[in-house]
Amino acid sequence: TQLLEQSPQFLSIQEGENLTVYCNSSSVFSSLQWYRQEPGEGPVLLVTVVTGGEVKKLKRLTFQFGDARKDSSLHITAAQPGDTGLYLCAGAENTGTASKLTFGTGTRLQVTL
Amino acid sequence: EAEVAQSPRYKITEKSQAVAFWCDPISGHATLYWYRQILGQGPELLVQFQDESVVDDSQLPKDRFSAERLKGVDSTLKIQPAELGDSAMYLCASSTGPRDTEAFFGQGTRLTVV
Repeated sequence: TQLLEQSPQFLSIQEGENLTVYCNSSSVFSSLQWYRQEPGEGPVLLVTVVTGGEVKKLKRLTFQFGDARKDSSLHITAAQPGDTGLYLCAGAENTGTASKLTFGTGTRLQVTL
Repeated sequence: EAEVAQSPRYKITEKSQAVAFWCDPISGHATLYWYRQILGQGPELLVQFQDESVVDDSQLPKDRFSAERLKGVDSTLKIQPAELGDSAMYLCASSTGPRDTEAFFGQGTRLTVV
């Protein structure tokens, strides 16, 4: 079973600060996704990165896929209270008949005023 | 907007009882996933269906868990008998096909076993 480690596990920051969340594995993925999950709800897809070295921007969020497609990072600029939630990375592996999606350990972010 | 529907939202059951969860994926989505999520952790895959066939159930505790997707549309996940350690959020997700991993999740069923 692939293991995706996220760091930090918890992060509490004030509004306006910047932060970076890391997602690391020893396995190579065909693609990697980031999700955000709010309490009591299911995860919501933020972005998919496919190509090694790829960088995608979504407003104040910047996602990067490592050159070797084993790791990824999520950078948030000028965090807002609405960014609070559980951030999950998920790596996709093609296994013959289907693709398998394995989730990371999660990073809980709290942004305070 | 199309959504993955799950029911019930919350379920409290006594240990040793049977419990079942239902999921209706987004229309036209061939791939359906059941995940279990312990509070504060990432979801863990229990079973993955492609249409009505199971493509991965390697992490499903088959002595007490079962899942079916008889007509390749909606799905049921059953636990019998439930144990205290089964308390968790059970999430259903779907995607368009076997090579598409952009999964859309339902709101989940929060199970508490007492």
